[in-house]
Amino acid sequence: QVQLVESGGGVVQPGRSLRLSCAASGFTFTDYGMHWIRQAPGKGLEWVAVIWFDGSNKNYADSVKGRFTISRDNSKNTVYLQMNSLRAEDTAVYYCARFYNYDSSRTPDFWGQGTLVTVSS
Amino acid sequence: DVVMTQSPLSLPVTLGQPASISCRSSQSLVYSDGNTYLNWFQQRPGQSPRRLIYRVSNRDFGVPDRFSGSGSGTDFTLKISRVEAEDVGVYYCMQGAHWPPWTFGQGTKVEIK
Repeated sequence: QVQLVESGGGVVQPGRSLRLSCAASGFTFTDYGMHWIRQAPGKGLEWVAVIWFDGSNKNYADSVKGRFTISRDNSKNTVYLQMNSLRAEDTAVYYCARFYNYDSSRTPDFWGQGTLVTVSS
Repeated sequence: DVVMTQSPLSLPVTLGQPASISCRSSQSLVYSDGNTYLNWFQQRPGQSPRRLIYRVSNRDFGVPDRFSGSGSGTDFTLKISRVEAEDVGVYYCMQGAHWPPWTFGQGTKVEIK
């Protein structure tokens, strides 16, 4: 069955870095692009970053641009989110979610269970 | 950026009764290909979001037919014909017509009276 499993979350001090991973299984990874979407405690959903199936296109939310980098390794069926210069306001559950390449809207159709990132001194 | 506005933000409902959630976008969600890209997600307590409806009115696989989506342009509605206990959670609309960024509504919390 389709699975997206995030890992790499934890407690980190402001200004430090963290790398999240999302391992995909149960589907053809290269048929899908990938999003990272986050949810601060008790809050709504905020889109963070997207990467095309082949890594040819990447986009970021203004709130993370210049600090976060999305990448993928299709040989490992894994997408990453490198988070640098972390701030307290980056505290959230981070979800990875896939979208089908031929969907013009790039809407996420399946989400992982999320990994919690807490930025605190 | 497209702003998505949901109402109400809290919706107490009686089991077996209908429920309706409104979502309005700050711009038309009709894409250049003629499709309207408005989606609905359900987030049950302690779970990750799950897509229920895509392109306004298409139910995802396994979604009960008591869920229906409608609307056009900038005004959209999610309806639950008869609320069941498992429908408790937060519902989000999300636009996929003007990206990046992809934007969500604030969420509507559905609870049982």
